[in-house]
Amino acid sequence: GDSVTQMEGPVTLSEEAFLTINCTYTATGYPSLFWYVQYPGEGLQLLLKATKADDKGSNKGFEATYRKETTSFHLEKGSVQVSDSAVYFCALAGRGGSQGNLIFGKGTKLSVKP
Amino acid sequence: NAGVMQNPRHLVRRRGQEARLRCSPVKGHSHVYWYRQLPEEGLKFMVYLQKENIIDESGMPKERFSAEFPKEGPSILRIQQVVRGDSAAYFCASSPDSNSPLHFGNGTRLTVT
Repeated sequence: GDSVTQMEGPVTLSEEAFLTINCTYTATGYPSLFWYVQYPGEGLQLLLKATKADDKGSNKGFEATYRKETTSFHLEKGSVQVSDSAVYFCALAGRGGSQGNLIFGKGTKLSVKP
Repeated sequence: NAGVMQNPRHLVRRRGQEARLRCSPVKGHSHVYWYRQLPEEGLKFMVYLQKENIIDESGMPKERFSAEFPKEGPSILRIQQVVRGDSAAYFCASSPDSNSPLHFGNGTRLTVT
């Protein structure tokens, strides 16, 4: 079945460092791909998404490109801030392509130190 | 605009008791989803409901778990005869339709003692 694999954390970076969180997927077809972020004590928030191959999603300085060839959707940010500390989840649209039935990776915890 | 409201935030139940988790979607959203997050795991889809209808319950355990989204009032996730393995964070999400991104609530953390 469809699945998402993302790099295990925790990831600890200094402020202004470059961030990459790897995400690869297994799926039939070309599902929409997402990154969600979960701040401590809160629910998940959509960070960015891409709906087809070569699409680049971007938001708040974060970017991810839908790579069909490598079945990847890696999250990047050029200069992280302390406020970016959170858990990041990669996900793909599951059954029927609905954006509601999402298949999530296990999450990657990011800690940014001042 | 209020987001997705879940209550309670924390719920403690003894083994064998019932747990009721409530979710009020964003105003105007008629699609509700429930997810479960076990410790150190990602979220797992449980059920998708529209008003008064269960659309997809492929992620729901076959026994003890049920969900409803009545015409009036919040969506309810009900777990009967809870066991320790039910301890998890349960997240509700809503959307205006099946193709729009989800808005998640802050979750209910269930602890079974």
